[in-house]
Amino acid sequence: AQTVTQSQPEMSVQEAETVTLSCTYDTSENNYYLFWYKQPPSRQMILVIRQEAYKQQNATENRFSVNFQKAAKSFSLKISDSQLGDTAMYFCAFMVSGANSKLTFGKGITLSVRP
Amino acid sequence: SAVISQKPSRDICQRGTSLTIQCQVDSQVTMMFWYRQQPGQSLTLIATANQGSEATYESGFVIDKFPISRPNLTFSTLTVSNMSPEDSSIYLCSVGQGDSPLHFGNGTRLTVT
Repeated sequence: AQTVTQSQPEMSVQEAETVTLSCTYDTSENNYYLFWYKQPPSRQMILVIRQEAYKQQNATENRFSVNFQKAAKSFSLKISDSQLGDTAMYFCAFMVSGANSKLTFGKGITLSVRP
Repeated sequence: SAVISQKPSRDICQRGTSLTIQCQVDSQVTMMFWYRQQPGQSLTLIATANQGSEATYESGFVIDKFPISRPNLTFSTLTVSNMSPEDSSIYLCSVGQGDSPLHFGNGTRLTVT
């Protein structure tokens, strides 16, 4: 079974600053995917970024990037130039390749961006 | 990406009643899932909605409490039966194709009084 751990329940960052959200996972699988989802107060789950485990290069999407350390089973999300609209809950999620899209989520972290 | 319409967006129900939540996708999808998000918590998978056959339930969830239908590749329903206040949660429909990331509906906020 897979587990996803987000140990920080909440974080706060000043607008325009950079913040890093931590995530670790445990699995015996070799082929898998990792995701970060954002859930604003509207409760819509929005995919932020995706990382394939077989790729060594860290994924980047505009202001969002990850630091994927496969050996350490770590998958952190860096948000650069934080904006007020980044205020949301962020969930780290894991999916085994070939598992038909079934996701395992971490507990989530509440991020507040201060003006 | 698929557009997912979930109805109702919210409801307040009395204890002992049932509520059926609908999920409509604008394209055919292989996988449809139902998740529950209890207040302040993460998402927990209830079941995989299988087209043309019985849903596959995760540990702790049973068909009598959460009957699911999936008559075709674009539509599914989740019923929350014989509700109690502990069922107050957000229920989310999600869809996926192979190894593509899941996309989610807007969720249904259920309050049971």
